[in-house]
Amino acid sequence: KNQVEQSPQSLIILEGKNCTLQCNYTVSPFSNLRWYKQDTGRGPVSLTIMTFSENTKSNGRYTATLDADTKQSSLHITASQLSDSASYICVVSGWMDSSYKLIFGSGTRLLVRP
Amino acid sequence: EAQVTQNPRYLITVTGKKLTVTCSQNMNHEYMSWYRQDPGLGLRQIYYSMNVEVTDKGDVPEGYKVSRKEKRNFPLILESPSPNQTSLYFCASSPQQSSYEQYFGPGTRLTVT
Repeated sequence: KNQVEQSPQSLIILEGKNCTLQCNYTVSPFSNLRWYKQDTGRGPVSLTIMTFSENTKSNGRYTATLDADTKQSSLHITASQLSDSASYICVVSGWMDSSYKLIFGSGTRLLVRP
Repeated sequence: EAQVTQNPRYLITVTGKKLTVTCSQNMNHEYMSWYRQDPGLGLRQIYYSMNVEVTDKGDVPEGYKVSRKEKRNFPLILESPSPNQTSLYFCASSPQQSSYEQYFGPGTRLTVT
């Protein structure tokens, strides 16, 4: 079954600290992996997108890594800010049953405290 | 400004009363999609549209209808809402189905009593 599992479910860190969020997937065949940030009450916004040939991609203080062999990805946030408080969603896409599908993880809720 | 808009943002209704949630995008995107988001679950696709007059079921289409008469608009219709359709709904668009970038609307929080 094609699934995307994220951990931890929730995380609290102090402002200025770093953190890493995990995403494991069983989607096959794999096309690309995306990380989205979703502020409370808003739609998801794309942070990074990686194809199977990419190992790492950065967007400011956000760095995503991908290991297509072990089907794992991580999102590393450096020097966290209060505005990083949000849910972070991992999305894996691929062609399944002759159609292109996006499989969403349930997200990691991050709270950054002063 | 490039954006996806949804209306209404919040809606409380009663079981069985037909409702429509509108979605509009100004980016000339071919692909549009509706999702619902429930606590503890990832976003699940309800319906999608590859282009004008082309729509198809997603993973959870029961109880919903859509139409795509114009490229920019993709309304979601609940003919007879039920309490299990209480959820947060998102419309999204992208240049094509497999495009990397997908743009989401602000969401519509629906409560069916």
